[in-house]
Amino acid sequence: QKEVEQNSGPLSVPEGAIASLNCTYSDRVSQSFFWYRQYSGKSPELIMSIYSNGDKEDGRFTAQLNKASQYVSLLIRDSQPSDSATYLCAVNMNRDDKIIFGKGTRLHILP
Amino acid sequence: DAEITQSPRHKITETGRQVTLACHQTWNHNNMFWYRQDLGHGLRLIHYSYGVQDTNKGEVSDGYSVSRSNTEDLPLTLESAASSQTSVYFCASSGRGGTEAFFGQGTRLTVV
Repeated sequence: QKEVEQNSGPLSVPEGAIASLNCTYSDRVSQSFFWYRQYSGKSPELIMSIYSNGDKEDGRFTAQLNKASQYVSLLIRDSQPSDSATYLCAVNMNRDDKIIFGKGTRLHILP
Repeated sequence: DAEITQSPRHKITETGRQVTLACHQTWNHNNMFWYRQDLGHGLRLIHYSYGVQDTNKGEVSDGYSVSRSNTEDLPLTLESAASSQTSVYFCASSGRGGTEAFFGQGTRLTVV
């Protein structure tokens, strides 16, 4: 089983709608979870960190963590064309502070 | 502002040559990482370091080496470049204890 899994997409969402991105991870002891956004030809940019079960909101972004189900998600409300990018889920394997990434989900916001 | 910089941004080299990619961070982070990114594979961990004189192999370390002589720098060396090492390489750094990583701008390496 891959350590961090994401649906590669592409995920197409109409402008103004909610985009929902999902990620599962295999290591139960992981404690730190991140979402990065990567535009084509650019480096990954951190958009959310989450460490505790539940929801964490920052502007239009909400990260959700369920450690029992080993599941992390990212919701983007009021999606904009500028949100079109690849979203990378990352997990810090706290047992050794190593950060492992999923393959990313391509998100396309339809104008 | 703290940052992490990579050089060169683009490089073309020949098969069999030794190549070194530079990474320099001013975050004063203990942890540093090298990843490669290829279509269909996402970001794969090559090597990582938790501090000076510490280096560890990641999932795709064959053909690569790193050394950590100070906190700020983690150069990545391709001992004998192969066409399979054509990729985009990203360096990242993070603090201890499960904190987030910050990335450099990337180096696009082409091996011909």
